[in-house]
This record gives sequence, structure tokens and C-alpha cells, in this order.
Amino acid sequence: EDQVTQSPEALRLQEGESSSLNCSYTVSGLRGLFWYRQDPGKGPEFLFTLYSAGEEKEKERLKATLTKKESFLHITAPKPEDSATYLCAVQAWWAAGNKLTFGGGTRVLVKP
Amino acid sequence: KAGVTQTPRYLIKTRGQQVTLSCSPISGHRSVSWYQQTPGQGLQFLFEYFSETQRNKGNFPGRFSGRQFSNSRSEMNVSTLELGDSALYLCASSYTGGSGNTIYFGEGSWLTVV
Repeated sequence: EDQVTQSPEALRLQEGESSSLNCSYTVSGLRGLFWYRQDPGKGPEFLFTLYSAGEEKEKERLKATLTKKESFLHITAPKPEDSATYLCAVQAWWAAGNKLTFGGGTRVLVKP
Repeated sequence: KAGVTQTPRYLIKTRGQQVTLSCSPISGHRSVSWYQQTPGQGLQFLFEYFSETQRNKGNFPGRFSGRQFSNSRSEMNVSTLELGDSALYLCASSYTGGSGNTIYFGEGSWLTVV
């Protein structure tokens, strides 16, 4: 069974204080690892998809990296508007179609 | 380009009733998936439809069902509602099901069962 564990559960940062979120996964053949951002009361907003170990993707202050067992989401010099819950999900080769298995998320609060 | 549209956004139902939620995918997307999100269980996969056929199913009881129409719009139905069915129900769409397909989510339908 595919499993995704995110840590920490919550993170409080001062504006400008860089940090990393961890996503550890167990999957029988990784087809893709997805990162989403979710604001309260809203649906997840797509950030990145990573497909193979060593891959990196960046978007503004966010950078996602992937190894064979985990992914990191680095937030560089965060701003208050980066406050959200960040979700990690895996898509496995064994599961036809678009089934995603999600982790529990990391709630990030950036204080000015 | 319009995103994934879900209706209704909020609804309150009584235990024992049934509910139907609707999802319009992004234009051109043929895959529609449904997820349940609760504080205790997080985001859990319900089922996926592609070209009007259910392609994948999660571990939910038979009270949860869905369908997809020829225009790719999808509906999910929950019968005999229980208090534990209170959740945010999210719809996601993508072009197909292969690698390289971004999966986009709608804003969700908030269901409260009283």
C-alpha cells in the first residue's frame, strides 16, 4: 500500500526565515510526486510534479527536490502570503489513471 | 481558461438523506477524480472516471457512487448519509491519465450532515 508522511505537521516562521518541508513516501513504482498548496476553505492549488530522483523544480520562493525515498519543499525568504497548508501526493504506476495518495500536509504560518 | 467547477459549494443535509454533487472539469480534460477531505483522515481518493468509465476506486462503502457524462462532467452521489460523511468533497481533472498530466482541483463542495 502506498504511504506518504509529511513533517513537520506545523511550522511557524518569521518572514524571511527559510525552511524545508519533508515528504517521505513508500510506493510500488513512483509515476509522479505532486506538491500542492491549500488555503483555508479552498481546493488544493497545483505547484509542482516531480518524476525522477534528482529532479528539481522552482517557482518564486519555492523549490522542490526529489530523492528515491523523499521530497523536500524549500521555502526561501518566505512572506506572510506563503502561509498555507502544503500537501504532498504520490501517483503510482500500479494504479491506472490519476489516483493520488496524499500525506497529511504541513501547515505553514509565516509571521511578519 | 476556466478551472474545475464544483456545485454546490455548501450544503446541509439530514442523516439518512442522499446528496448529489456536480463537477465540470477543465475544457478538454477527460479524467475526473473525486476526493474526500476531513480533518481526521486528510485527503482520500474516492474514485476516478475516464471517458464515462470508472477506472479506479478507493476504499469507500457502496453508498458512495459516481458517474461521468459524455461531455466529461461528473456527478457523485452519497446515499443514506451518516454524520461521518461531513467533509469537503473535491473534484480533480486532468487531460488523460498518463505521466506528465497535471491534476487540477476545484474549490470543493462542503457537505454538513446533521
